[in-house]
Amino acid sequence: SSELTQDPAVSVALGQTVRITCQGDSLRSYYASWYQQKPGQAPVLVIYGKNNRPSGIPDRFSGSSSGNTASLTITGAQAEDEADYYCNSRDSSGNHLGVFGGGTKLTVL
Amino acid sequence: QVQLQESGPGLVKPSGTLSLTCAVSGGSISSSNWWSWVRQPPGKGLEWIGEIYHSGSTNYNPSLKSRVTISVDKSKNQFSLKLSSVTAADTAVYYCARGMSGYVKPYYYYYMDVWGKGTTVTVSS
Repeated sequence: SSELTQDPAVSVALGQTVRITCQGDSLRSYYASWYQQKPGQAPVLVIYGKNNRPSGIPDRFSGSSSGNTASLTITGAQAEDEADYYCNSRDSSGNHLGVFGGGTKLTVL
Repeated sequence: QVQLQESGPGLVKPSGTLSLTCAVSGGSISSSNWWSWVRQPPGKGLEWIGEIYHSGSTNYNPSLKSRVTISVDKSKNQFSLKLSSVTAADTAVYYCARGMSGYVKPYYYYYMDVWGKGTTVTVSS
């Protein structure tokens, strides 16, 4: 079982805003990182730290955190944003172990 | 620009040992990073396997710890994964990745910013 919990599936109308959430105790002390994965491809980092985007990631992707919940927001979702999204952090044991959320399948309608 | 490339057998027999290598190019494995392995069974989510620092310090997923060894070869600028006593449940795409961790008040951060393309390993007789 994962220590980070994500909704299995979320949908959004083209051009609208969608928020994908990730819950876990470790998020009270760790920023979540977020990865986009399209079928047959490796994951791609889209958000890290407080709200940082790697080079090449569109600014419609943003991150935020409150309490034990981290959120990835896509403002003005595009068809190419349809993918699986995973959050990631260290776990809450204090042993510096990595952990992923179960993933959220985003459908752009 | 750092790039990672996994290599190793695509088929492993049950009870055997899975061995993969990740070659690091465009950068040094002795940099201040955690070098990680992540896997993804068919149709399922990502699973963190473990990581190694260039000093040799390791962290392993508790569910795999008794079977996993991650090592680093600085002379070849690569790191490796060994998973023993494999079963069909270990069939997955295996990724290597570069991890970054630190602290920016008031939170710690941890992320994997560079990934290999992944290699499929099937456990079957």
